[in-house]
This record gives sequence, structure tokens and C-alpha cells, in this order.
Amino acid sequence: AQKITQTQPGMFVQEKEAVTLDCTYDTSDQSYGLFWYKQPSSGEMIFLIYQGSYDEQNATEGRYSLNFQKARKSANLVISASQLGDSAMYFCAMREGETGNQFYFGTGTSLTVIP
Amino acid sequence: DTAVSQTPKYLVTQMGNDKSIKCEQNLGHDTMYWYKQDSKKFLKIMFSYNNKELIINETVPNRFSPKSPDKAHLNLHINSLELGDSAVYFCASSHHGGTYEQYFGPGTRLTVT
Repeated sequence: AQKITQTQPGMFVQEKEAVTLDCTYDTSDQSYGLFWYKQPSSGEMIFLIYQGSYDEQNATEGRYSLNFQKARKSANLVISASQLGDSAMYFCAMREGETGNQFYFGTGTSLTVIP
Repeated sequence: DTAVSQTPKYLVTQMGNDKSIKCEQNLGHDTMYWYKQDSKKFLKIMFSYNNKELIINETVPNRFSPKSPDKAHLNLHINSLELGDSAVYFCASSHHGGTYEQYFGPGTRLTVT
């Protein structure tokens, strides 16, 4: 089974609107972490946001928020007020367990912001 | 200041050659990683390493070997390069403990001809 599933290969959003990128995960560990990374066309990987499995509140970082639904094992990324610069690949990732050794990335979602 | 740097940025070489990619981080992190991103953008962890242990993804061929001269460096050596090794290789680092939030280098695009 896939550890991280991103079911949206490509998404389009109008500038200034909000968009949700889906991510579901699979783990039997109690302690884990969930991450979102952005990869623009230039290729670098940019950390966006983190949610720990024990965190009760959804993480927020500026225009990014993580909609964490533990029972459903989902960790969707919400980008508010989309900007042209948000056009990129977005990867959901999971750290399993309490060490840094088990990291899994999803297949990514390509987001295009339309002016 | 560059947090995680990799050299070279591009590497073109022939099958059968041996090559190395260097990685350095100035974040004071104690855990470093190597990832491979294939042509479909799929990212897969190859190694994680801190000063205590090296964890190798079991699917990584033993032609690939990480070498760490110190905590700030983790170089990737590849022997007998094959066409299928063509990919973008990313180095990353994190603190050992806490969130393990990783910071990535700019990537090295390896092309094997």
C-alpha cells in the first residue's frame, strides 16, 4: 500500500481564490509527522508546513493551512488567495515513527494559477 | 547564505563511469539525506545518516554509497553508472529529533549517456 496518496495529478485555480490539495496517508504508528513541500519549475524543494500527529490544532503558515483529519488519515493543504507564484508541484510527505529514517513522499500535484 | 548546497548542479557522464556528488549544509543539522527524483517527479529516499547510524533504503543498489567526512557534509558516490541512474538527486538535512523538518539542496541533475 502507498504510504502517501495524492489523487490530483493536476489542479487549476483562479488567481485570488482558495484551493485545496488532497493528501491521504497510511501508517500504524502513533507518532508521525506530515509535511508539504513546494517545487517550482526551477526545481528546488521548499518546505511549507508541518503537522505533528499529536497536534490538536491545524497548522497554519501565512496563506498555507493544513486541514488535518486524523481519523480519516488526511492532511490536505489549503492555499488561500492564490498567487501566480503559487504555480508549482506540491508534495505531501510523511515522517513515520520518532526517528528521521522513514520519510515518504507522494507523487505530487501540479498546481496552475490562472490570471 | 546557502543553507544546503550541492555540487555539481549538472553532471553528464557515460555508462560505466564512477562519479560523486557533494553536499554541504551550514544549518548545524546532524542528520542528512539523499533523495532520488525520477523523470515522473517521484521522490524516493535513498539514505539517511546521522553521526550514529546510516540507514539505507533496501532498494538502493550497492553501487551507491554515502560518505560523510563530518556532520556538515554527506557526499554521494556512484560506481559503474547505468542509464537508469539518470535523475535529479537531492541532498537534505534536518535536526535529529523534533519535527525532522528537512531542508533541501538545489538538486543535481545527473544524465548518463
